[in-house]
Amino acid sequence: AQSVTQLGSHVSVSEGALVLLRCNYSSSVPPYLFWYVQYPNQGLQLLLKYTTGATLVKGINGFEAEFKKSETSFHLTKPSAHMSDAAEYFCAVSPLGSGYSTLTFGKGTMLLVSP
Amino acid sequence: EAQVTQNPRYLITVTGKKLTVTCSQNMNHEYMSWYRQDPGLGLRQIYYSMNVEVTDKGDVPEGYKVSRKEKRNFPLILESPSPNQTSLYFCASTLERGTDTQYFGPGTRLTVL
Repeated sequence: AQSVTQLGSHVSVSEGALVLLRCNYSSSVPPYLFWYVQYPNQGLQLLLKYTTGATLVKGINGFEAEFKKSETSFHLTKPSAHMSDAAEYFCAVSPLGSGYSTLTFGKGTMLLVSP
Repeated sequence: EAQVTQNPRYLITVTGKKLTVTCSQNMNHEYMSWYRQDPGLGLRQIYYSMNVEVTDKGDVPEGYKVSRKEKRNFPLILESPSPNQTSLYFCASTLERGTDTQYFGPGTRLTVL
């Protein structure tokens, strides 16, 4: 069974600082990888996804993530945090070649941005 | 506008009183799923459906039922709710397996007393 580990349930940064949210997965075969964001009282919104090809993936709102097979990681970064980035972020995986569309989520990381 | 809708958005009920949370999508998606979100646990899949009349259990199916009689609708049924089903529920739909974006509904916050 696959699992997703997000290191740190809460991450605090100052506005303008680098954002780094960590995600590691366990899978014998590299899966498809996703980052979702959840703003307060809203549903989840896709930030970016990796399926095949270039390992550095760019998403919305200036976020990007790099797939590193050797480290089984898919960390999310943004060079400069904005107050509007404060939200909960979820890493998710989907089995490669699965017969159905399903996601296994990490437990989430709350990003706090201070002025 | 492409969207997934859920109703109701908020529901407070009592133990044992049957309830249904509706989910509808207007994107002609084949795949639909239900998740529950609990603090510190992230989202866990309850049930999913690959197409009309095709459903299967996710990671936490106990105490839930679903049906898929039409492509656009995927209701979640709690026959006899219990307090441990107090949670935030999300419906999602996807056009294709695995790689495609899952579109999430706004969520239903359920409290079972």
